[in-house]
Amino acid sequence: KNQVEQSPQSLIILEGKNCTLQCNYTVSPFSNLRWYKQDTGRGPVSLTIMTFSENTKSNGRYTATLDADTKQSSLHITASQLSDSASYICVVTLNTGGFKTIFGAGTRLFVKA
Amino acid sequence: EPEVTQTPSHQVTQMGQEVILRCVPISNHLYFYWYRQILGQKVEFLVSFYNNEISEKSEIFDDQFSVERPDGSNFTLKIRSTKLEDSAMYFCASSPGPGRGELFFGEGSRLTVL
Repeated sequence: KNQVEQSPQSLIILEGKNCTLQCNYTVSPFSNLRWYKQDTGRGPVSLTIMTFSENTKSNGRYTATLDADTKQSSLHITASQLSDSASYICVVTLNTGGFKTIFGAGTRLFVKA
Repeated sequence: EPEVTQTPSHQVTQMGQEVILRCVPISNHLYFYWYRQILGQKVEFLVSFYNNEISEKSEIFDDQFSVERPDGSNFTLKIRSTKLEDSAMYFCASSPGPGRGELFFGEGSRLTVL
């Protein structure tokens, strides 16, 4: 069964600290993996996208890694800001004709002053 | 900056009524998608659309649902006879390329079925 599992479910950190969010997936055939940020009641916003051959990708304070062998990905946030408080969603796209996407349940991040 | 726009932002309807949710994808994009997110749950894929036909649909996308691109700009999701469990946020997305490119999401349409 195609699944995307994320951990932790929620996380509280102090402003300025770093954190790492995890994503494990059992999806086949794999096309790519994306990380999205979703503020409550808003549409998801793309942070990174990685294909099978990419191990790491950065976007400002966000760095994503991908291990296609173990089917694991992580999102590292550096020097967190209050505005980073949101849900972070791992999304895997299947390499099928319609490119169906499987979403994780997200990690709810709370950054406190 | 180009964006995906959705209307209405919120619709309240009675059970059994038909609902049409509208989306205007980014103008040069070719691939279009609908997703739904029930309150407190994860986003779920409904359907992908390319070249005026459905490319793939999920098991959620049953005969109650249909999609259409009636003109060169709009992309609609129709729910024929709404049920209570259809209450959710519905997101439209578009991408320039076939699944490998970035997905751009709209802000969503919240549907409440009473």
